[in-house]
Amino acid sequence: KQEVTQIPAALSVPEGENLVLNCSFTDSAIYNLQWFRQDPGKGLTSLLLIQSSQREQTSGRLNASLDKSSGRSTLYIAASQPGDSATYLCVENAGNMLTFGGGTRLMVKP
Amino acid sequence: DVKVTQSSRYLVKRTGEKVFLECVQDMDHENMFWYRQDPGLGLRLIYFSYDVKMKEKGDIPEGYSVSREKKERFSLILESASTNQTSMYLCASSGVLWENSPLHFGNGTRLTVT
Repeated sequence: KQEVTQIPAALSVPEGENLVLNCSFTDSAIYNLQWFRQDPGKGLTSLLLIQSSQREQTSGRLNASLDKSSGRSTLYIAASQPGDSATYLCVENAGNMLTFGGGTRLMVKP
Repeated sequence: DVKVTQSSRYLVKRTGEKVFLECVQDMDHENMFWYRQDPGLGLRLIYFSYDVKMKEKGDIPEGYSVSREKKERFSLILESASTNQTSMYLCASSGVLWENSPLHFGNGTRLTVT
C-alpha cells in the first residue's frame, strides 16, 4: 500500500524566513505529485503539480521539487508571510490511485 | 478556471435523516471523488466515480452511497445520518489520472448530525 508522509506535522517560523516542507512517498511508479494549501474550514487549493518527468515547478514564491529515486518532494516557500499560514498537503498520483499526506500545519508569525 | 461547486457550506441534520450532498464540476472531468476530513485522520476516500453511472468504493464507504447520473454531478447520500458522520466533506474532480490531470477541490461541506 502506498504511503505518503509529511514531516514536520507542524511548523512555526518568523515572517520573512525561507522554509522547506517535505513530502515522502513509497511508490516509485509515480505519475505526478500535487501540492495543496488548505485554510481552516475551507477546501483544498492547488498550488503546484509536478510531473514525474520534471524536477521542479515554480509559481511566484513557491518552488516544488521532485526526486523519484529518493521518493521525496519538497515545497520551498521564499520570504514567508503571515498570509502563508495554512495547512499544506501533498498528494501522490500513481496513475490509478491518489494518496494524500497528513499535511504540515504552517504558522508564520509577524 | 476549473470550478467544483458543493451545494452547501454548512448543514445541520438530525440522526436518522437522509442527507444529500451535491457536487458539480464544470470541466467535463471523468473522475469525481468524495472525501471526508477529520482532525488527526486526514482525508479519507469514501467513493469515487470514473464515468457516468460508474462508482467504486473507497476506504470508508459504510453508511454512504453515491449517484452519478450526469457527468458533471456527483452526489453523496447518507441513507440514515448518524452522529459519527459529523465531518467536513470534500468533493474533488480530475481528468484522466495517468494523463497528469490535476485534482481540483470544492470548498467543502461542514455537516453536523445531532
